[in-house]
Amino acid sequence: DAGVIQSPRHEVTEMGQEVTLRCKPISGHDYLFWYRQTMMRGLELLIYFNNNVPIDDSGMPEDRFSAKMPNASFSTLKIQPSEPRDSAVYFCASSRWIGGSDTQYFGPGTRLTVL
Amino acid sequence: KNEVEQSPQNLTAQEGEFITINCSYSVGISALHWLQQHPGGGIVSLFMLSSGKKKHGRLIATINIQEKHSSLHITASHPRDSAVYICAVSLPGNQFYFGTGTSLTVIP
Repeated sequence: DAGVIQSPRHEVTEMGQEVTLRCKPISGHDYLFWYRQTMMRGLELLIYFNNNVPIDDSGMPEDRFSAKMPNASFSTLKIQPSEPRDSAVYFCASSRWIGGSDTQYFGPGTRLTVL
Repeated sequence: KNEVEQSPQNLTAQEGEFITINCSYSVGISALHWLQQHPGGGIVSLFMLSSGKKKHGRLIATINIQEKHSSLHITASHPRDSAVYICAVSLPGNQFYFGTGTSLTVIP
């Protein structure tokens, strides 16, 4: 298996622009997680899905952030409008079962810079 | 207050040394995870454990549920072990909390 695939790997955009991050989980994994990592706050869980349904989005910072999973092999994290403080590395991860019961496999991350 | 505390924050060791990284948590958990993040940024899950001890190669992870404490040990450390090691806990309600990481540098 190719592992968790994320695109783009790097994104530079200007404040106010819409940003869409993409993730393809490992086939057969029922759980998908979106994380954000910054120097100040470390790793934070933003949202996770089970069988394409959002289960817990309490980590999503603001209404500017939204995530969707239209099918088992694709998820997006959208920021609209983007702000400089959104600059971070965004990781997607997947697991067969909920993270407390199974290993999570991380994608390579998308490094987002908002100017 | 952080639910997960790691120590030390930074650690420099000579090649071959035995290394210990500690993680303490303050909440009831369903599992504890040790993650490794290399300088390139990729994150790899090393261990997931809810009791006892696990070993993989030169890495050993232990957890004491009563004391709410876990340790990650690296035997015969090597420069390629240089990375940030992150402790994370998952709760029965499926929340996740992460430590701030321990940056390890192993000098040849």
